[in-house]
Amino acid sequence: NAGVTQTPKFQVLKTGQSMTLQCAQDMNHEYMSWYRQDPGMGLRLIHYSVGAGITDQGEVPNGYNVSRSTTEDFPLRLLSAAPSQTSVYFCASQGLLTGELFFGEGSRLTVL
Amino acid sequence: GEDVEQSLFLSVREGDSSVINCTYTDSSSTYLYWYKQEPGAGLQLLTYIFSNMDMKQDQRLTVLLNKKDKHLSLRIADTQTGDSAIYFCAEKVQAGTALIFGKGTTLSVSS
Repeated sequence: NAGVTQTPKFQVLKTGQSMTLQCAQDMNHEYMSWYRQDPGMGLRLIHYSVGAGITDQGEVPNGYNVSRSTTEDFPLRLLSAAPSQTSVYFCASQGLLTGELFFGEGSRLTVL
Repeated sequence: GEDVEQSLFLSVREGDSSVINCTYTDSSSTYLYWYKQEPGAGLQLLTYIFSNMDMKQDQRLTVLLNKKDKHLSLRIADTQTGDSAIYFCAEKVQAGTALIFGKGTTLSVSS
């Protein structure tokens, strides 16, 4: 049972480059979300989706795009990377009954 | 607005009990959670409590919920060095909405 799978685990970008962080879940969860984790800031919600074709902004959406064409996949796109986007990114899917989040292992992004 | 507060650091000796505290502001919370994050890893759910419960025990873990004071605590009995990690408190206020996380408490266990 894979759960939530994120790729890549590590990435280094130059300022201005674009990239996509991939996220896939095999639990048939409707709700998926992306968080970023920075020292002293805890987890902040970037974007979330309540089902295929539906996305919405979280607390810190600027500079990021998402789409949800299938229940399984929820990619996060950085349009033009900035050093302020250096962070650890976590994708999560949410169980319906208790609302608990299942997290991926994280993607560590450095923008130079 | 919604907010979850935790102390940032806790240091204990191996074998002692650890108590990590959390306060939240939204009285409509339905579930409250404790997550553990080990270095370089993702967050793993430790336990959760439904808002109509006062206490939940799971092996070495005891969760206490005081709804009147909006206070949640996690007690780890017989703390081990393997318990060293960051512990996050989180609340869920409505069905289908994101969890609100605290900034995390770093637990350091010395032998």
